[in-house]
Amino acid sequence: NAGVMQNPRHLVRRRGQEARLRCSPMKGHSHVYWYRQLPEEGLKFMVYLQKENIIDESGMPKERFSAEFPKEGPSILRIQQVVRGDSAAYFCASSPPLAGGIEQYFGPGTRLTVT
Amino acid sequence: GDSVTQMEGPVTLSEEAFLTINCTYTATGYPSLFWYVQYPGEGLQLLLKATKADDKGSNKGFEATYRKETTSFHLEKGSVQVSDSAVYFCALRGVTGANNLFFGTGTRLTVIP
Repeated sequence: NAGVMQNPRHLVRRRGQEARLRCSPMKGHSHVYWYRQLPEEGLKFMVYLQKENIIDESGMPKERFSAEFPKEGPSILRIQQVVRGDSAAYFCASSPPLAGGIEQYFGPGTRLTVT
Repeated sequence: GDSVTQMEGPVTLSEEAFLTINCTYTATGYPSLFWYVQYPGEGLQLLLKATKADDKGSNKGFEATYRKETTSFHLEKGSVQVSDSAVYFCALRGVTGANNLFFGTGTRLTVIP
């Protein structure tokens, strides 16, 4: 059973461009979480999604950031008009249904660098 | 709100030394508590967990006991190895309905031969 997959692993964008980060959860997992890790800091929750639904986006900036988890395909975290402060590692985690988020399995992360 | 306070690092130990990384939390009720480990360039891996008071989580020689009276979940290992060098994160999942994890700032451990 493959683990959580994220791509790309590294992404470089110029200020003002768009960044699209993808996350494929583990097989059988229908819940996805996105976290952001700034340099030398812990992970901060951004958004929690189930298939076709955003359940909790309380940690996501109101501007420029959006997330989706379509019925088919990976979850996408989209950052429009990136700024230098968006440079961070973005981690996706997934959990199976009925686990209540107790078991979250993390992907390797996407390291975004904004130049 | 829910939060985790973790001992700041970095921590440098010699091989076979005893390790303690302190973690305390603030939460209502009985949250679930976790330790995650992050090796260089990789994502987080669940190291151990405890879901109720007095539970002891253990894995790969690491242990942590859920202490409700002191709101703590300190990580310990009796004899560290060079391969334990990594960043360790304490985390909690609250009971208020949100499923997300709250993380501490991480403690970088370096074990020297």
